[in-house]
Amino acid sequence: ETGVTQSPTHLIKTRGQQVTLRCSSQSGHNTVSWYQQALGQGPQFIFQYYREEENGRGNFPPRFSGLQFPNYSSELNVNALELDDSALYLCASIPDSNTKEAFFGQGTRLTVV
Amino acid sequence: AQSVTQLDSHVSVSEGTPVLLRCNYSSSYSPSLFWYVQHPNKGLQLLLKYTSAATLVKGINGFEAEFKKSETSFHLTKPSAHMSDAAEYFCVVTLSGGYNKLIFGAGTRLAVHP
Repeated sequence: ETGVTQSPTHLIKTRGQQVTLRCSSQSGHNTVSWYQQALGQGPQFIFQYYREEENGRGNFPPRFSGLQFPNYSSELNVNALELDDSALYLCASIPDSNTKEAFFGQGTRLTVV
Repeated sequence: AQSVTQLDSHVSVSEGTPVLLRCNYSSSYSPSLFWYVQHPNKGLQLLLKYTSAATLVKGINGFEAEFKKSETSFHLTKPSAHMSDAAEYFCVVTLSGGYNKLIFGAGTRLAVHP
């Protein structure tokens, strides 16, 4: 158990729709990162939030956006869904930049049809 | 720029035999290196990490890895495989310092046969 929970566990959406994925981090972890893991690949960094501000972003278009809240929860929003957005989305909770250790949730499996 | 190459996409061993999962990295700066394991329908679990202390790192479940700067390698080993070790393994690199972006390799699927 990592203490990081994600919801929902599975989701099916139609192309063009919007989706919100949620993550609850460990208390006291000020940094949260989101990753996309396509089938058969390693996770790819989407973005990172530190104390409610985005402080790093991977090679993903602006239709991928996020929010982080003071209660250590966060959201990943994806607009105008495309078929290629089908993937496992992972949330990682990081206690501090010195340890570098990330605690991952179980992920949300998104299928776009 | 940093990158990670996992040299084998699939590794198959018999139970009780040694495990070797190979990883090479590329980094312009002092890297932090990790191995994560992912069991089916589960999230990623940290096996071990290297952050510029001892070059031989011991992790959970009997796994260990050795950081070799001259070879830019961080191979994962275990003396004796167990059936429960069957999973996907990811080698990961990140920069030392404030930014926490993790760069994952493509993964190695480990199969363990009776």
